Amino acid sequence: NAGVMQNPRHLVRRRGQEARLRCSPMKGHSHVYWYRQLPEEGLKFMVYLQKENIIDESGMPKERFSAEFPKEGPSILRIQQVVRGDSAAYFCASSPIGGKGYEQFFGPGTRLTVL
Amino acid sequence: GEDVEQSLFLSVREGDSSVINCTYTDSSSTYLYWYKQEPGAGLQLLTYIFSNMDMKQDQRLTVLLNKKDKHLSLRIADTQTGDSAIYFCAESPAVYNQGGKLIFGQGTELSVKP
Repeated sequence: NAGVMQNPRHLVRRRGQEARLRCSPMKGHSHVYWYRQLPEEGLKFMVYLQKENIIDESGMPKERFSAEFPKEGPSILRIQQVVRGDSAAYFCASSPIGGKGYEQFFGPGTRLTVL
Repeated sequence: GEDVEQSLFLSVREGDSSVINCTYTDSSSTYLYWYKQEPGAGLQLLTYIFSNMDMKQDQRLTVLLNKKDKHLSLRIADTQTGDSAIYFCAESPAVYNQGGKLIFGQGTELSVKP
């Protein structure tokens, strides 16, 4: 059973471009969480999704950021018109139906660098 | 409010015990966690404790919870160089317990010297 997969592992974008980060949850998991880790900081919650639903987006910046988890395919975190301050590691975690915190399994992360 | 605080650095000698401390603010938290992050990697869940417990032991790891002081600690016995990593404390506030978010501290970088 493969773990949580994220791609790409490293992404370089120039200011103003779009970044698309993908997360494939573990098999049988229907809950996905996105977290952002700024340099030398802890992880900050961004958004919690179930299939086709956003459950909690209280940590998402109001502009330029969006997330989806379609019925088929991976969850996507999309950042439009990236700025240097978006440079960070973005981690996805997944959990099974009704999962609790200890059932969140993390992917290896996507490291975004904005030039 | 929700806030988790940790000291940033800890240095120990191989074979010694390491104690990493954490304080949290949300008294409703029902689960508290310790994660390990190695350089360039994701987070690995080490252990967690339910808030009605005050101690949990798992091989070299001992978690102590003082709910009155909202203080959590992780003790690593016989620390090895392979334990060098960043350790994150996290809580899940009760309102989110049906599958919601984790609140992380800023991480403690543990350095183990041979």
